[in-house]
Amino acid sequence: QKEVEQNSGPLSVPEGAIASLNCTYSDRGSQSFFWYRQYSGKSPELIMFIYSNGDKEDGRFTAQLNKASQYVSLLIRDSQPSDSATYLCAVTRSGGYNKLIFGAGTRLAVHP
Amino acid sequence: KAGVTQTPRYLIKTRGQQVTLSCSPISGHRSVSWYQQTPGQGLQFLFEYFSETQRNKGNFPGRFSGRQFSNSRSEMNVSTLELGDSALYLCASSPGTPGSGAFFGQGTRLTVV
Repeated sequence: QKEVEQNSGPLSVPEGAIASLNCTYSDRGSQSFFWYRQYSGKSPELIMFIYSNGDKEDGRFTAQLNKASQYVSLLIRDSQPSDSATYLCAVTRSGGYNKLIFGAGTRLAVHP
Repeated sequence: KAGVTQTPRYLIKTRGQQVTLSCSPISGHRSVSWYQQTPGQGLQFLFEYFSETQRNKGNFPGRFSGRQFSNSRSEMNVSTLELGDSALYLCASSPGTPGSGAFFGQGTRLTVV
């Protein structure tokens, strides 16, 4: 079992819809949770982070964390074709400093 | 504020050679981490440096090494290159507080032939 799991996709959503991306992690000692966006041929870009249970909103993005169920999700409202990318979930462990453990990523395709 | 700068952007090396990659972090950031990204393995952590000390290391062979200078700039070295070392090598810069997130440079694309 991988430490961070994501559905590889592709997740296809129509423009204007809500895209829901999910991630599960196996280590209950995981402490901080991050979502990165990576366009093809580019480097990952940090879009959201969350530390506490519940929801965190930033513009069209909402991160949700449920430590009891060991999952974290990212919702993208009003999806745009420019949101088409691979979304990477990453976690850090307690005592792991800034070591990010990444999932394999979910490819999102937003079609007009 | 300038972002993370990695040089060179592209490299082609022959099997058995060694290579040095360079990273300049965001001004004020004291933590620099290195990652390898391949289609098969995804993003994998190599090591993290903070205040010139390695404080975390991934599961890579000893051929992979790094260092950090007093100005926080970092270098990564791979000796005795193998074909399987062909990858995108990414440097990430963080303020240093655990869990503060990391900001990536554009990467160095290494091809070993």
